[in-house]
Amino acid sequence: LAKTTQPISMDSYEGQEVNITCSHNNIATNDYITWYQQFPSQGPRFIIQGYKTKVTNEVASLFIPADRKSSTLSLPRVSLSDTAVYYCLVSGSARQLTFGSGTQLTVLP
Amino acid sequence: DVKVTQSSRYLVKRTGEKVFLECVQDMDHENMFWYRQDPGLGLRLIYFSYDVKMKEKGDIPEGYSVSREKKERFSLILESASTNQTSMYLCASSLTAGFSNQPQHFGDGTRLSIL
Repeated sequence: LAKTTQPISMDSYEGQEVNITCSHNNIATNDYITWYQQFPSQGPRFIIQGYKTKVTNEVASLFIPADRKSSTLSLPRVSLSDTAVYYCLVSGSARQLTFGSGTQLTVLP
Repeated sequence: DVKVTQSSRYLVKRTGEKVFLECVQDMDHENMFWYRQDPGLGLRLIYFSYDVKMKEKGDIPEGYSVSREKKERFSLILESASTNQTSMYLCASSLTAGFSNQPQHFGDGTRLSIL
């Protein structure tokens, strides 16, 4: 079971790039890494998913090193509306779903 | 767009009551999940279902049961509610039976208070 560890909180300013790292030392061969965003009073929303190397979509990039023991979510040029809790999920073939405790990102003006 | 609907946003019940939380998804997803979310603890999986009438325990199933009689509906049952079950409950669904690379779609949660 791949336990995940994330920073509890991060602050950033509008327009900056933000990188949030998740550690998952016991990740299994078949595990994928998925990141979700959650606003207050809403359920989490899918942002990006990857298995190895780098994945990019219209809102974020995900960097995964060769050993896959960590991953980094990169948000380019954040705005105030990116203030949210970000969760790293390692999902595996053993039907074990392990969410991290989340990182509260606060974007300041 | 996938929609996962939880029947109540807020619910207040008394200790010892039997409580039903209902969840419906409209995209014919095979998998459905129930989580609880508590401050500092993130999301913890209670139960999940990969097919009608099929269920598996998650990390914290004690005190809960589930029912999936139809593909689109997944119910969480608190047989005898206790105050330590006061929490935010989140339902989710995903497309197929392969877990590894299927993004989950979440409802907006039910905030349950047990008095």
